[in-house]
Amino acid sequence: SQKIEQNSEALNIQEGKTATLTCNYTNYSPAYLQWYRQDPGRGPVFLLLIRENEKEKRKERLKVTFDTTLKQSLFHITASQPADSATYLCALSGSARQLTFGSGTQLTVLP
Amino acid sequence: DSGVTQTPKHLITATGQRVTLRCSPRSGDLSVYWYQQSLDQGLQFLIQYYNGEERAKGNILERFSAQQFPDLHSELNLSSLELGDSALYFCASSPNSNGRTQETQYFGPGTRLLVL
Repeated sequence: SQKIEQNSEALNIQEGKTATLTCNYTNYSPAYLQWYRQDPGRGPVFLLLIRENEKEKRKERLKVTFDTTLKQSLFHITASQPADSATYLCALSGSARQLTFGSGTQLTVLP
Repeated sequence: DSGVTQTPKHLITATGQRVTLRCSPRSGDLSVYWYQQSLDQGLQFLIQYYNGEERAKGNILERFSAQQFPDLHSELNLSSLELGDSALYFCASSPNSNGRTQETQYFGPGTRLLVL
């Protein structure tokens, strides 16, 4: 069955460091992958989309890589700040028309 | 602010009851999606509507139904409620120029449902 795994439920890092979050998937051939940020009690907010033929995408302090051979995406936040603390969700599109979300990684940036 | 609105923000009801959740998509967006988020299940896709027609179905129970109206707002109806239906219900919208490709989704603030 199709499965999406995000590396850990929680990740703590020191302010100023680079946070790296992992999204692994099996039994998918996604056309693209998206990353969302979710704060407690609020709806997810879109951050980045990367297509299957793209290796890397950047937006300000965010970088996403997509390796369809490894079936993995890495999400990096450079120069992390306490305001980056949130849950980060990866989402894949498959043969069906909907997005399937991973369970998320809760990132805490410590001052 | 994503531009997607959902009402009500909070809803407390009893088992066996029926409730209706309402969503207004961003201006111009034709697709509406409904998701359920509970602590143990994560964000689960329920159903998608595009320009008034059902387009995709996910893990939606038979007790749940949805529709999208001509003005593109959508309603999610939950009936014969059980304790396990307590969750956050999110609506999202996207432009979906042809209703088939998946694009960025813009999420509303959610409705928190508590079934007692």
